This record gives sequence, C-alpha cells and structure tokens, in this order.
Amino acid sequence: EDQVTQSPEALRLQEGESSSLNCSYTVSGLRGLFWYRQDPGKGPEFLFTLYSAGEEKEKERLKATLTKKESFLHITAPKPEDSATYLCAVLNATIYNQGGKLIFGQGTELSVKP
Amino acid sequence: EAGVAQSPRYKIIEKRQSVAFWCNPISGHATLYWYQQILGQGPKLLIQFQNNGVVDDSQLPKDRFSAERLKGVDSTLKIQPAKLEDSAVYLCASSLGWFQSYEQYFGPGTRLTVT
Repeated sequence: EDQVTQSPEALRLQEGESSSLNCSYTVSGLRGLFWYRQDPGKGPEFLFTLYSAGEEKEKERLKATLTKKESFLHITAPKPEDSATYLCAVLNATIYNQGGKLIFGQGTELSVKP
Repeated sequence: EAGVAQSPRYKIIEKRQSVAFWCNPISGHATLYWYQQILGQGPKLLIQFQNNGVVDDSQLPKDRFSAERLKGVDSTLKIQPAKLEDSAVYLCASSLGWFQSYEQYFGPGTRLTVT
C-alpha cells in the first residue's frame, strides 16, 4: 500500500535556527513529489514539485530535495512568517495516466518564535 | 488569476441532516478534486473529475456522499445523512489536467461540524 510519513509531527524553532523536515514514502512508482504549505483556516498552498532523485528546488528560505526513498524540506534562517503546517504528497504512478492521484502525509507543524 | 472558490466557509449541522458544498475551479482547469481533511491529518481524496466525468471515487462513502460536476466547471459535494465522523474540512482543488500539469491548487475549504 502506498504510504507517506512525515517527521517530526511538530517542530519549534527560534528565528534564524535552520532545520529540515522529512517526508518518507513508499509508492509503487513515483511520478512526482509535492510540497505544500497550509496556514490555519486555509487550503494548502503549492510550493514545489520534484520528479526524480537528485532534483532540488528552492524558493526564498526553502529548499526541497528528493532521494529514492525520501524528501527533505530545508528551512534556512526561518522567520516567524514561515510558521505553518508543511504537507508532502506523492503522485502515484499506478494511475498516472488516469489523472494523477496525490497521497498526502499527515504534515509537520512548524512554529518559529522571534 | 482567480483562485479556487468554495462556499460556504463554515457549516454546522446536526447528525442525520444533509449538507451541500459548492466549488468553482480555476478557469481552464479540467481536473477537479474533492478532499476531506480531518484535524491533524493530511487531505484524503474523496473524488476526482476530469471535465465532467468521474476518474476516481474509490474512497467516497457512496451510501451517504455524492458529487457532480455539471458542464465540466462547477461542482457540488453532498452529504446525506451526515454522521458525527463527517466533521472535517472539505477542500476542493483543481489542476490543468492530464499530461499538462498535476500541480493542484486548493480552495480555502469548508469547515463542517456535525453535532
């Protein structure tokens, strides 16, 4: 069964304290890994898509990387406005040609204190 | 570019009552998704449309949930009758569709409380 596990469940950082979030996955055939940010009371906001092992993408203080078994979201010198829940999702290859089903992890709740 | 619109934003009903949620996707997006997100969990796909046809409804509790996407644009998700365990946020998302882009863009969600 396809599965996505994120760790830690919650992470508290001081402003400027860099860290990483982990997303481990088991999927029959990965066709893409997605990172989303979700603020309280809002829908998930798209951040990155990674398609193959070794790929990296950056956006401001965030950098996403991908291996064959996991993805990391690195946060460099975070600010309080980076506080949110970060969701990881995988695109299942089994139904790839039928529209692309995303399977989400449970999320990591990040809190950055000033 | 306007995002995904959903209404209502909040709904409180008693168990066994019915409720309906509405979604208007981003213009030009062929694929529309409904997700259920229970507090502390990631979104779980309920149903996926490609234009006005159903692609995947394997996790939709069909005895109480129904959804339609008339004319391949707006969509409605209905619950009848509601149970306590249906309390969750219902998210609508859209994407350009097959072989173009699988990046999904989400609406703000409808928070349902069943008492």
